[in-house]
Amino acid sequence: EAGVAQSPRYKIIEKRQSVAFWCNPISGHATLYWYQQILGQGPKLLIQFQNNGVVDDSQLPKDRFSAERLKGVDSTLKIQPAKLEDSAVYLCASSLSGSDTEAFFGQGTRLTVV
Amino acid sequence: GESVGLHLPTLSVQEGDNSIINCAYSNSASDYFIWYKQESGKGPQFIIDIRSNMDKRQGQRVTVLLNKTVKHLSLQIAATQPGDSAVYFCAENIGGNQFYFGTGTSLTVIP
Repeated sequence: EAGVAQSPRYKIIEKRQSVAFWCNPISGHATLYWYQQILGQGPKLLIQFQNNGVVDDSQLPKDRFSAERLKGVDSTLKIQPAKLEDSAVYLCASSLSGSDTEAFFGQGTRLTVV
Repeated sequence: GESVGLHLPTLSVQEGDNSIINCAYSNSASDYFIWYKQESGKGPQFIIDIRSNMDKRQGQRVTVLLNKTVKHLSLQIAATQPGDSAVYFCAENIGGNQFYFGTGTSLTVIP
Protein backbone atom coordinates (compact mmCIF):
# COMPACT_ATOMS: atom_id res chain seq x y z
CA GLU A 1 0.00 0.00 0.00
CA ALA A 2 1.44 3.37 -1.00
CA GLY A 3 1.88 5.86 1.80
CA VAL A 4 1.15 9.56 1.99
CA ALA A 5 3.11 11.36 -0.72
CA GLN A 6 4.35 14.93 -0.31
CA SER A 7 6.33 17.25 -2.52
CA PRO A 8 8.67 18.95 -2.61
CA ARG A 9 10.89 17.46 0.12
CA TYR A 10 12.79 20.70 0.61
CA LYS A 11 12.15 24.33 -0.23
CA ILE A 12 14.13 27.48 0.43
CA ILE A 13 12.51 30.85 -0.22
CA GLU A 14 13.05 34.45 0.74
CA LYS A 15 10.67 36.16 3.13
CA ARG A 16 7.64 37.72 1.47
CA GLN A 17 7.72 35.13 -1.31
CA SER A 18 4.98 32.56 -1.77
CA VAL A 19 5.24 28.78 -1.64
CA ALA A 20 2.95 25.80 -2.16
CA PHE A 21 3.10 22.24 -0.88
CA TRP A 22 1.31 19.25 -2.34
CA CYS A 23 -0.04 16.13 -0.65
CA ASN A 24 -1.52 12.92 -2.02
CA PRO A 25 -3.12 10.90 0.79
CA ILE A 26 -3.48 7.14 1.02
CA SER A 27 -6.14 5.91 -1.38
CA GLY A 28 -9.55 5.76 0.26
CA HIS A 29 -8.66 8.01 3.17
CA ALA A 30 -11.38 10.61 3.52
CA THR A 31 -9.64 12.63 6.23
CA LEU A 32 -6.57 14.73 5.44
CA TYR A 33 -4.51 16.84 7.83
CA TRP A 34 -1.82 19.46 7.48
CA TYR A 35 0.54 19.89 10.43
CA GLN A 36 3.35 22.37 11.03
CA GLN A 37 6.36 21.08 12.96
CA ILE A 38 8.85 23.65 14.15
CA LEU A 39 12.28 22.27 15.04
CA GLY A 40 12.28 20.71 18.51
CA GLN A 41 8.50 20.76 18.87
CA GLY A 42 5.61 18.40 18.27
CA PRO A 43 3.46 18.71 15.16
CA LYS A 44 0.78 21.39 15.37
CA LEU A 45 -2.49 20.84 13.54
CA LEU A 46 -3.17 23.55 10.95
CA ILE A 47 -6.21 22.21 9.13
CA GLN A 48 -8.29 19.06 8.84
CA PHE A 49 -10.38 18.08 5.81
CA GLN A 50 -13.12 15.50 5.58
CA ASN A 51 -13.39 14.76 1.85
CA ASN A 52 -13.38 18.26 0.32
CA GLY A 53 -14.82 20.05 3.34
CA VAL A 54 -12.93 21.75 6.15
CA VAL A 55 -13.53 20.20 9.57
CA ASP A 56 -11.24 22.48 11.55
CA ASP A 57 -8.92 25.32 10.56
CA SER A 58 -8.87 27.18 13.87
CA GLN A 59 -5.07 27.15 14.05
CA LEU A 60 -4.44 28.13 10.45
CA PRO A 61 -3.07 31.70 10.14
CA LYS A 62 -5.59 32.65 7.52
CA ASP A 63 -4.02 35.99 6.70
CA ARG A 64 -1.17 34.16 4.97
CA PHE A 65 -1.96 30.45 4.87
CA SER A 66 -4.55 28.75 2.68
CA ALA A 67 -5.33 25.14 1.90
CA GLU A 68 -7.66 23.38 -0.45
CA ARG A 69 -8.77 19.87 -1.31
CA LEU A 70 -11.05 20.56 -4.22
CA LYS A 71 -11.78 17.02 -5.37
CA GLY A 72 -11.51 15.39 -1.98
CA VAL A 73 -8.24 13.64 -2.79
CA ASP A 74 -5.05 15.71 -3.26
CA SER A 75 -4.46 18.82 -1.24
CA THR A 76 -2.29 21.91 -1.48
CA LEU A 77 -1.14 24.20 1.31
CA LYS A 78 0.00 27.70 0.35
CA ILE A 79 1.82 30.41 2.24
CA GLN A 80 1.76 33.95 0.89
CA PRO A 81 3.69 35.96 1.92
CA ALA A 82 6.11 33.83 3.90
CA LYS A 83 7.74 35.02 7.13
CA LEU A 84 10.92 33.85 8.79
CA GLU A 85 8.91 32.14 11.53
CA ASP A 86 7.21 29.93 8.94
CA SER A 87 10.43 27.89 8.68
CA ALA A 88 9.33 24.41 9.68
CA VAL A 89 8.49 20.96 8.37
CA TYR A 90 4.99 20.78 6.92
CA LEU A 91 3.52 17.33 7.41
CA CYS A 92 0.52 15.90 5.64
CA ALA A 93 -1.38 12.99 7.15
CA SER A 94 -4.46 11.02 6.24
CA SER A 95 -6.84 8.62 7.94
CA LEU A 96 -9.95 6.65 7.26
CA SER A 97 -13.14 8.42 8.22
CA GLY A 98 -14.70 7.70 11.56
CA SER A 99 -13.41 8.04 15.05
CA ASP A 100 -10.40 6.41 16.64
CA THR A 101 -8.51 5.71 13.46
CA GLU A 102 -4.79 6.32 13.24
CA ALA A 103 -3.32 9.04 11.09
CA PHE A 104 -0.59 8.06 8.63
CA PHE A 105 2.04 10.70 7.93
CA GLY A 106 4.06 11.63 4.89
CA GLN A 107 7.75 12.49 5.10
CA GLY A 108 7.05 16.20 5.13
CA THR A 109 8.32 19.26 3.31
CA ARG A 110 11.11 21.15 5.04
CA LEU A 111 10.65 24.89 4.42
CA THR A 112 13.41 27.37 5.11
CA VAL A 113 12.55 31.06 4.87
CA VAL A 114 15.59 33.34 4.62
CA GLY B 1 15.51 4.70 32.03
CA GLU B 2 12.50 6.98 32.56
CA SER B 3 11.54 10.49 31.49
CA VAL B 4 8.82 13.00 31.93
CA GLY B 5 8.07 14.23 28.43
CA LEU B 6 7.51 17.89 29.17
CA HIS B 7 10.33 18.46 31.66
CA LEU B 8 13.05 16.01 30.60
CA PRO B 9 12.88 15.84 26.83
CA THR B 10 15.99 13.67 26.48
CA LEU B 11 16.38 10.08 27.62
CA SER B 12 19.49 7.92 27.23
CA VAL B 13 19.43 4.19 27.88
CA GLN B 14 21.82 1.31 27.44
CA GLU B 15 21.06 -1.18 24.71
CA GLY B 16 19.06 -4.05 26.18
CA ASP B 17 17.58 -2.02 29.03
CA ASN B 18 13.92 -1.12 29.25
CA SER B 19 12.81 2.44 28.46
CA ILE B 20 9.88 4.35 29.88
CA ILE B 21 8.67 7.51 28.19
CA ASN B 22 6.01 9.57 29.92
CA CYS B 23 3.44 12.01 28.62
CA ALA B 24 0.92 14.26 30.34
CA TYR B 25 -2.09 15.08 28.20
CA SER B 26 -4.29 18.09 28.58
CA ASN B 27 -7.89 17.30 27.75
CA SER B 28 -9.91 15.10 30.07
CA ALA B 29 -12.36 14.48 27.22
CA SER B 30 -9.70 12.85 25.04
CA ASP B 31 -10.74 9.29 24.33
CA TYR B 32 -8.08 7.89 22.05
CA PHE B 33 -4.31 8.12 22.23
CA ILE B 34 -1.46 7.19 19.93
CA TRP B 35 2.26 6.93 20.46
CA TYR B 36 4.29 7.95 17.42
CA LYS B 37 7.99 7.48 16.70
CA GLN B 38 9.76 10.06 14.57
CA GLU B 39 13.20 9.44 13.13
CA SER B 40 15.29 12.26 11.75
CA GLY B 41 14.02 13.49 8.41
CA LYS B 42 10.89 11.34 8.50
CA GLY B 43 7.27 11.79 9.40
CA PRO B 44 5.83 10.34 12.61
CA GLN B 45 5.25 6.60 12.50
CA PHE B 46 2.50 4.83 14.44
CA ILE B 47 3.70 2.59 17.28
CA ILE B 48 0.69 1.73 19.39
CA ASP B 49 -2.67 3.15 20.35
CA ILE B 50 -5.04 2.89 23.27
CA ARG B 51 -8.64 3.83 23.84
CA SER B 52 -9.88 5.47 26.99
CA ASN B 53 -11.82 2.38 28.07
CA MET B 54 -8.52 0.57 28.55
CA ASP B 55 -5.64 1.16 30.94
CA LYS B 56 -3.03 -1.04 29.30
CA ARG B 57 -2.25 -2.32 25.85
CA GLN B 58 0.68 -4.41 24.69
CA GLY B 59 2.35 -4.71 21.34
CA GLN B 60 5.59 -6.20 20.17
CA ARG B 61 8.17 -5.01 22.74
CA VAL B 62 6.00 -2.00 23.59
CA THR B 63 3.37 -1.41 26.23
CA VAL B 64 1.22 1.68 26.70
CA LEU B 65 -0.30 2.52 30.06
CA LEU B 66 -3.10 5.04 30.50
CA ASN B 67 -4.02 6.70 33.78
CA LYS B 68 -7.07 8.84 33.15
CA THR B 69 -7.25 10.01 36.76
CA VAL B 70 -4.04 12.00 36.40
CA LYS B 71 -4.17 12.36 32.59
CA HIS B 72 -0.96 10.45 32.08
CA LEU B 73 0.33 8.07 29.42
CA SER B 74 3.49 6.06 29.37
CA LEU B 75 5.26 4.04 26.71
CA GLN B 76 7.43 1.17 27.81
CA ILE B 77 9.93 -0.30 25.38
CA ALA B 78 11.41 -3.63 26.36
CA ALA B 79 15.00 -4.56 25.52
CA THR B 80 15.70 -1.24 23.83
CA GLN B 81 17.68 -1.47 20.59
CA PRO B 82 19.74 1.11 18.68
CA GLY B 83 16.97 1.29 16.09
CA ASP B 84 14.66 2.61 18.78
CA SER B 85 16.61 5.87 18.90
CA ALA B 86 14.15 8.57 17.82
CA VAL B 87 11.79 11.22 19.15
CA TYR B 88 8.60 9.80 20.66
CA PHE B 89 5.35 11.74 20.74
CA CYS B 90 2.06 11.03 22.39
CA ALA B 91 -0.97 12.31 20.51
CA GLU B 92 -4.43 12.73 21.97
CA ASN B 93 -7.66 12.64 20.01
CA ILE B 94 -9.93 15.32 21.39
CA GLY B 95 -12.81 14.26 19.15
CA GLY B 96 -13.54 14.27 15.44
CA ASN B 97 -10.29 12.37 14.92
CA GLN B 98 -8.29 15.55 15.62
CA PHE B 99 -4.88 14.70 17.03
CA TYR B 100 -2.89 17.03 19.25
CA PHE B 101 0.72 16.22 19.93
CA GLY B 102 2.84 16.61 23.04
CA THR B 103 6.33 18.08 23.12
CA GLY B 104 8.09 14.80 22.51
CA THR B 105 10.95 12.92 24.15
CA SER B 106 14.21 12.18 22.41
CA LEU B 107 15.41 8.64 23.11
CA THR B 108 19.07 7.77 22.57
CA VAL B 109 20.15 4.15 22.85
CA ILE B 110 23.77 3.66 23.80
CA PRO B 111 25.30 0.51 22.23
